[in-house]
Amino acid sequence: DVKVTQSSRYLVKRTGEKVFLECVQDMDHENMFWYRQDPGLGLRLIYFSYDVKMKEKGDIPEGYSVSREKKERFSLILESASTNQTSMYLCASSRDYTQYFGPGTRLLVL
Amino acid sequence: QKEVEQDPGPLSVPEGAIVSLNCTYSNSAFQYFMWYRQYSRKGPELLMYTYSSGNKEDGRFTAQVDKSSKYISLFIRDSQPSDSATYLCAMDSGAGSYQLTFGKGTKLSVIP
Repeated sequence: DVKVTQSSRYLVKRTGEKVFLECVQDMDHENMFWYRQDPGLGLRLIYFSYDVKMKEKGDIPEGYSVSREKKERFSLILESASTNQTSMYLCASSRDYTQYFGPGTRLLVL
Repeated sequence: QKEVEQDPGPLSVPEGAIVSLNCTYSNSAFQYFMWYRQYSRKGPELLMYTYSSGNKEDGRFTAQVDKSSKYISLFIRDSQPSDSATYLCAMDSGAGSYQLTFGKGTKLSVIP
């Protein structure tokens, strides 16, 4: 069974804080993805990575950065959290066309 | 025109009903089609995966793809309260980008 884990289920942060969201997968997948999910807007791709140290911008990369130093780990960084980044953040991994998701992190920025 | 259209619902059915969930799409290059189930406050889980046209059955679930109409469906037979969730369709062209295009999801409630 593919397992994708995310470091926190719930996070509360203050405006301006630097926020790190960690994602780890245990299936040796090459591809990893970060999405945010908001009511009425669906899943939106923030960043993705096809390999270690590689990253590509998705549809909404502004205000975010990522890091992939090891194949199994993909981190999302909010450089200076803002209230409009309050959302559900989902990490996924894949070897091909089927993506497997983590449980999500609900982030509240006050 | 959005690439993938999915009725958001909510859809409410009695236990035991047959449920039909649908997505339409505009990109004729899509070849891989997936359905995900997402329970409240959880991550999406892969439910069904089909390639190109045709049907695929897995227990009470049947996925159907009609590429000529650019229309995909998920049927749930003998629906159960545990099927209450949001169902998202997703698709990919197979061009090697591995980026899925998602529908926004249909919220289903199965009433006991």
